[in-house]
Amino acid sequence: AQSVTQPDIHITVSEGASLELRCNYSYGATPYLFWYVQSPGQGLQLLLKYFSGDTLVQGIKGFEAEFKRSQSSFNLRKPSVHWSDAAEYFCAVGPQTDKLIFGTGTRLQVFP
Amino acid sequence: DTAVSQTPKYLVTQMGNDKSIKCEQNLGHDTMYWYKQDSKKFLKIMFSYNNKELIINETVPNRFSPKSPDKAHLNLHINSLELGDSAVYFCASSRGTREYEQYFGPGTRLTVT
Repeated sequence: AQSVTQPDIHITVSEGASLELRCNYSYGATPYLFWYVQSPGQGLQLLLKYFSGDTLVQGIKGFEAEFKRSQSSFNLRKPSVHWSDAAEYFCAVGPQTDKLIFGTGTRLQVFP
Repeated sequence: DTAVSQTPKYLVTQMGNDKSIKCEQNLGHDTMYWYKQDSKKFLKIMFSYNNKELIINETVPNRFSPKSPDKAHLNLHINSLELGDSAVYFCASSRGTREYEQYFGPGTRLTVT
């Protein structure tokens, strides 16, 4: 069965520090992978996606993610975090059965 | 211009009532979805429609009934509301199924008292 694991429930970083949010998936074929961000009281916004090709994908707001098939991972990174990046981040995998499976989310807190 | 809109944004009601949430997308997408996000932020798909045809129907109580009058609209009607229905409900749309990214609405926070 498809599944997504985000091992870190809550991460705190200082503004300007680098960030890496972890995502591991379980999937029988080449997955489609997504990272979404949810700001407080808002809907989800797509940050980036991987379907095929270059395993390092660039997204909006300075984020990037790297697909590593050998590790079944799709970690999200940002070299320098801004206070406005504080939000909930969701990794998702899909969809062989026409649906996305979401991870449980990682809450990012940014200190000045 | 709001791409995916939902009304109402907040909904407070008593147990046993019937309520509806409306969703509209102006992206010209063929596929629309309803998701439920619980208090722990866990996001789970409930329904999906493609060109007004139901394609995903997860294990959801019969009290929940989606209706898609046209490709741009997907409404969710809930009968006999229960305390456990309290959650944030998100509508989303995509150009198609599978490899297309989904665009989410702002959510409807439903509170059942």
